[in-house]
Amino acid sequence: NAGVTQTPKFRVLKTGQSMTLLCAQDMNHEYMYWYRQDPGMGLRLIHYSVGEGTTAKGEVPDGYNVSRLKKQNFLLGLESAAPSQTSVYFCASRTFSANEQFFGPGTRLTVL
Amino acid sequence: AQSVTQLDSQVPVFEEAPVELRCNYSSSVSVYLFWYVQYPNQGLQLLLKYLSGSTLVKGINGFEAEFNKSQTSFHLRKPSVHISDTAEYFCAVSGLIQGAQKLVFGQGTRLTINP
Repeated sequence: NAGVTQTPKFRVLKTGQSMTLLCAQDMNHEYMYWYRQDPGMGLRLIHYSVGEGTTAKGEVPDGYNVSRLKKQNFLLGLESAAPSQTSVYFCASRTFSANEQFFGPGTRLTVL
Repeated sequence: AQSVTQLDSQVPVFEEAPVELRCNYSSSVSVYLFWYVQYPNQGLQLLLKYLSGSTLVKGINGFEAEFNKSQTSFHLRKPSVHISDTAEYFCAVSGLIQGAQKLVFGQGTRLTINP
């Protein structure tokens, strides 16, 4: 039982490049979330999903897109990366009936 | 809207001393409260949670927190800290926002334990 995994762990992009971050969970959780963590700002919700095929915007969705084609996977896309998107990205998941979210180890992204 | 304020961005303490990390929240509805810990270069791990019942909640690694509804606080305490407690601690509130259960995090408190 691996829990929540994220790929890649680190990435450096140039401004304007695109990339996709992958989150996978093996706990059969319905809900999945993408957060970004910036110094002094805690974690802020980018997008979330309440089930396969559904996504919704969070607090800071601009510049990001997401997809949940399979229940176990939640993809976060950056179509045209900007330096302001330099951050640590965390994925989390939880089951419908519980309130605790389980977090992945994070992806450190630098945009030059 | 729900919000969380962690009153201290950094807390330095000596090993074996007690510590309190402060958290205040605002919400117009019933909430669930959490403390997460993040060790250097790692993800977030749940320390403890308050859902209902006893207002004193015990968590892992000797931490506990007290839910105070009248003061809208959920302060985290440990009677004697260890070097290994050096980490960043996040308070979070969970509530129904726009029809979905979401977590709102505080800004984090960096706890540094000095020998």
